[in-house]
Amino acid sequence: KNQVEQSPQSLIILEGKNCTLQCNYTVSPFSNLRWYKQDTGRGPVSLTIMTFSENTKSNGRYTATLDADTKQSSLHITASQLSDSASYICVVSDRGSTLGRLYFGRGTQLTVWP
Amino acid sequence: EADIYQTPRYLVIGTGKKITLECSQTMGHDKMYWYQQDPGMELHLIHYSYGVNSTEKGDLSSESTVSRIRTEHFPLTLESARPSHTSQYLCASSHSGAVNTGELFFGEGSRLTVL
Repeated sequence: KNQVEQSPQSLIILEGKNCTLQCNYTVSPFSNLRWYKQDTGRGPVSLTIMTFSENTKSNGRYTATLDADTKQSSLHITASQLSDSASYICVVSDRGSTLGRLYFGRGTQLTVWP
Repeated sequence: EADIYQTPRYLVIGTGKKITLECSQTMGHDKMYWYQQDPGMELHLIHYSYGVNSTEKGDLSSESTVSRIRTEHFPLTLESARPSHTSQYLCASSHSGAVNTGELFFGEGSRLTVL
């Protein structure tokens, strides 16, 4: 069964600290993995996409990694800001059909305190 | 920012009422989707469309219906709302050229509460 598991479920950190969010998946055949940020009361917004051949990709203070062998991805946030408080959702796409299918994790709820 | 809009943002109605959640996008995307999201849970696909006059049911069974008469418009209708329909409904779109890239552009969501 194709699944996406995220950890931790929730996380509280102090402003300025770093943190790492985890995503494990069993989706096969794998196409790509995206991290989305969802602010409270808003729709998710894509942060970064990782394809099979990519190991690391950065977007400002956000750095995503992918280990396709172990089927794990992480999202590292550097020097956290209050505006980083949000839910971070891992979404994996398969390539089992021409249309593609998306598998969503439940998200990690990050709270940054001043 | 993505140009996809949902109305209403919040709706509180009584049981048995008919409601329509509106979704419009100005990006010319062929693909549009409706997701249901409950707190702490993953997004569940309830409807999708790959173009005008094309609609399909998603993974999660839903009593709602959708229509796609125009490319930019993808409304969702509940003929008789029940408390079990209380949820957040997210509309999304993507462009056809991005096969399997998985990038969705989401609206702000419509939070429905049925009393």
